[in-house]
Amino acid sequence: KAGVTQTPRYLIKTRGQQVTLSCSPISGHRSVSWYQQTPGQGLQFLFEYFSETQRNKGNFPGRFSGRQFSNSRSEMNVSTLELGDSALYLCASSLLFSGTSGKMGTQYFGPGTRLTVL
Amino acid sequence: AQKITQTQPGMFVQEKEAVTLDCTYDTSDQSYGLFWYKQPSSGEMIFLIYQGSYDEQNATEGRYSLNFQKARKSANLVISASQLGDSAMYFCAMREGRSGNQFYFGTGTSLTVIP
Repeated sequence: KAGVTQTPRYLIKTRGQQVTLSCSPISGHRSVSWYQQTPGQGLQFLFEYFSETQRNKGNFPGRFSGRQFSNSRSEMNVSTLELGDSALYLCASSLLFSGTSGKMGTQYFGPGTRLTVL
Repeated sequence: AQKITQTQPGMFVQEKEAVTLDCTYDTSDQSYGLFWYKQPSSGEMIFLIYQGSYDEQNATEGRYSLNFQKARKSANLVISASQLGDSAMYFCAMREGRSGNQFYFGTGTSLTVIP
C-alpha cells in the first residue's frame, strides 16, 4: 500500500505570494492533518480534516487554510507569505477520526514539503 | 503547561547498546494514546510504536519497546541493540480522547549512534 504523498517536495516563494501544497493520504484513510515544523517552534498543528470537514484547527492566522476533497486528498493554502512561513510542512493521514480509535488513529506522515520564503 | 515533555535534547549511544529516551505527558483524560516517531535527516516522520492508556502491558515492536508508567505519566522509548541507522530525531506524541485526532508533540531528542 502506497504511503502518504506530498507535492511538491520543495518550493521557493517570495514574500507576499501565495502557495498551495497537496497531500494524498494512504488509500482508505479519511483523516488528514497538517503540521508546520520549524527549528524554533518545533511541530505545530495546523488543522485536521475528516470527510471533507475541518475537525480541528491550531493557532495559526487565517492566511493558513485548507480543504479536503471527496477522495480524501487535501490541500493547504498559505496566502500573503511571510519570511516566518519558511518551514517543513508535514501532512499525516489516519484511518479514523475518533478519540477512542486506539492504534487505528495512528497518524502516518508524508515526506513533507519544504517551503522557503525569500 | 506542556502536554509532552522530552528533557533530553541530545543523546549518544554506542552501537549495539540499548538506549532510553524519556517522555513525560500531561493530561487529565482517562483515554489517550501515546506514540513515538522517528525523523531522519530526510524529514519524514516514521511511526515506531503505540501505547494506549488502557493497555496493561508495555508495547513492543521489534527492537523498540515502550516503558509505560501511568502513575508517573511517563512513556519512555527503549531502543535495544542500537544501529547506526537509528541516528535521528525522536518525537514523543500524545492524542487525548477529548481532542479527537489532534496530536501533541514533544520537542524531540536527537539520538546519535557511535560506531
